Amino acid sequence: GAGVSQSPRYKVAKRGQDVALRCDPISGHVSLFWYQQALGQGPEFLTYFQNEAQLDKSGLPSDRFFAERPEGSVSTLKIQRTQQEDSAVYLCASSLARTGSSYEQYFGPGTRLTVT
Amino acid sequence: GDSVTQMEGPVTLSEEAFLTINCTYTATGYPSLFWYVQYPGEGLQLLLKATKADDKGSNKGFEATYRKETTSFHLEKGSVQVSDSAVYFCARGGSNYKLTFGKGTLLTVNP
Repeated sequence: GAGVSQSPRYKVAKRGQDVALRCDPISGHVSLFWYQQALGQGPEFLTYFQNEAQLDKSGLPSDRFFAERPEGSVSTLKIQRTQQEDSAVYLCASSLARTGSSYEQYFGPGTRLTVT
Repeated sequence: GDSVTQMEGPVTLSEEAFLTINCTYTATGYPSLFWYVQYPGEGLQLLLKATKADDKGSNKGFEATYRKETTSFHLEKGSVQVSDSAVYFCARGGSNYKLTFGKGTLLTVNP
């Protein structure tokens, strides 16, 4: 079946603009994660959903970042008033399990955000 | 907090050479350990995993053994191919389900 998809793949925003990044997880996957990957670094955790509930948002770097998953499937990561330091690849991952770190996470191709 | 330290690259090898990429992790709890690979232009893919001490994960000729005594999960392959050129990430999970990644190691294999 289809994997995790993300759109857009590339986004250029002017500083101060709002952006919305979309993630379509694998059908039936309960858990959904967002990560931020700066250039030359490993992905860093932003937030986690179990179905529609956002159970952990401890990695969101500021209150300009907001994520939602209203129907427990598609998720949107919104960044308000973008800053240059927000430039990164934003990765979405989904997992079949409700909890348990041993269950593998399947990653989407990412959205590369460039803030000018 | 949780952290993963992996060998810095880039690593450049000739085809059929032996590969080792070192990875160590913080010992908090009993994490599951993973190696992910990112081929050029593609997303992260799980390469292998191990969920408890002394487990060996293996896939596509790659292996890594969960060593609790040395808090390590080194990636090895006996004979690399050009198609193995990619960025490799070591990661740990934990009871809080999020993954903590190392910085990644760029591997280039020359023919």
